[in-house]
Amino acid sequence: DTAVSQTPKYLVTQMGNDKSIKCEQNLGHDTMYWYKQDSKKFLKIMFSYNNKELIINETVPNRFSPKSPDKAHLNLHINSLELGDSAVYFCASSPHWGSGVYEQFFGPGTRLTVL
Amino acid sequence: AQRVTQPEKLLSVFKGAPVELKCNYSYSGSPELFWYVQYSRQRLQLLLRHISRESIKGFTADLNKGETSFHLKKPFAQEEDSAMYYCALVYNFNKFYFGSGTKLNVKP
Repeated sequence: DTAVSQTPKYLVTQMGNDKSIKCEQNLGHDTMYWYKQDSKKFLKIMFSYNNKELIINETVPNRFSPKSPDKAHLNLHINSLELGDSAVYFCASSPHWGSGVYEQFFGPGTRLTVL
Repeated sequence: AQRVTQPEKLLSVFKGAPVELKCNYSYSGSPELFWYVQYSRQRLQLLLRHISRESIKGFTADLNKGETSFHLKKPFAQEEDSAMYYCALVYNFNKFYFGSGTKLNVKP
């Protein structure tokens, strides 16, 4: 299936723990993103990588660290989880950076609940 | 600074009624604007983009630079249109700024 996939789909954890969310795309895209959707459904960009290089790093606590082992994968590691980190995290990809082809393809989302 | 505003959090209409989801933007450059839709239990997906001037599922959106708006319209709403709609602005090549979304509820 050609798509953007994320694992896990649901993640429930305690405050203070460290967790990772994985994202993979088999669309051959160069650019990948992480978004956070809060309880009010507001969608905010966190990071973007182009060909394994960090391009966008929005105002995000440094407890969040993206890692891109290759251009098909962009993982999100979160240290010392806090209650406010509870949200749905979406991964997305787009063909090329700055090419004018701007459509983004989204993953199904990972619902993170911090207790 | 770039910004996208969707003033309505929730919009309820009856089936067959016209619908307009508002989107206003602020950006000093030449904007690239999109509408994305998220149906229940589905992933966010592109609905339409202003450069294509297309009509998708009966929806259209016209970029009005004078009013800095990109409202999404459909003359006759259907129940299957019920979803979350996001207006998005692209700036600095590939940086997306999404609005806060409008939930459209089409009642039978």
